[in-house]
Amino acid sequence: DTAVSQTPKYLVTQMGNDKSIKCEQNLGHDTMYWYKQDSKKFLKIMFSYNNKELIINETVPNRFSPKSPDKAHLNLHINSLELGDSAVYFCASSQGAGLGQPQHFGDGTRLSIL
Amino acid sequence: GNSVTQMEGPVTLSEEAFLTINCTYTATGYPSLFWYVQYPGEGLQLLLKATKADDKGSNKGFEATYRKETTSFHLEKGSVQVSDSAVYFCALPISSGSARQLTFGSGTQLTVLP
Repeated sequence: DTAVSQTPKYLVTQMGNDKSIKCEQNLGHDTMYWYKQDSKKFLKIMFSYNNKELIINETVPNRFSPKSPDKAHLNLHINSLELGDSAVYFCASSQGAGLGQPQHFGDGTRLSIL
Repeated sequence: GNSVTQMEGPVTLSEEAFLTINCTYTATGYPSLFWYVQYPGEGLQLLLKATKADDKGSNKGFEATYRKETTSFHLEKGSVQVSDSAVYFCALPISSGSARQLTFGSGTQLTVLP
C-alpha cells in the first residue's frame, strides 16, 4: 500500500535515448510534483500539476515533458538524454497546493546516463 | 520572496550526542515551516512541521521551534542514534500566482557513529 510509487527505481541508459518515468499516488491528492536531486543532494522542483493542470513549469529543458492522464498519475518523459540528466528524480504529491500542506515523496528513480 | 538557508554539512556525531542543525528563513508573513528527512536510498519524509510562530514541532525525539524573532527553525535532538543517519532538509512554502511549492534548504548530511 505504497502511497507514492515510482517506476523504475533504477534507469541506466545511453546518451541520446528517450525514456519515461512513471508515478502514481493512492492518497487521493490533487497536486503532484517532479523534483530533480543532484549528486550534492540539492533538490530542484521541475513541474507541478494540480487536477491534471500544469501549474509550475520551472526552467527545464523542453526535452523534459510531463504528462498527467489523471490526478493520481504524473509521468515524466525525457527525450535525447544527456550526461547532465544523471540524477535522482522524485515524484511527490500533496492535498491541494496550499501553503501549509506537506508533500509525500516517492522513493526516487536513479537515472544514470552512460 | 521566501527562502531558507540551512547549515552546511556534513555533520558527524557519536551515538547519544546532542544534535543541532540550523535553519533560518526569509518569508513574507508567517508560512508553515517543515523539516524533512531522507534516509539512504529513500525519498524525503516529513519529519515535523510548525504552522505558526512559537509553535514547536516534534517527532521521533526531534524538535524544532518556529521563532519569528530570529527567523529560525533549528532542528534539535537530545540523544542521536545510529539510525538517525540521514540527510535533513529544512523547507518552507513559496507561491507564485496560483502555484504553490516548497523550497528546500541545501540539506545536511548527518552520520552517527556507534
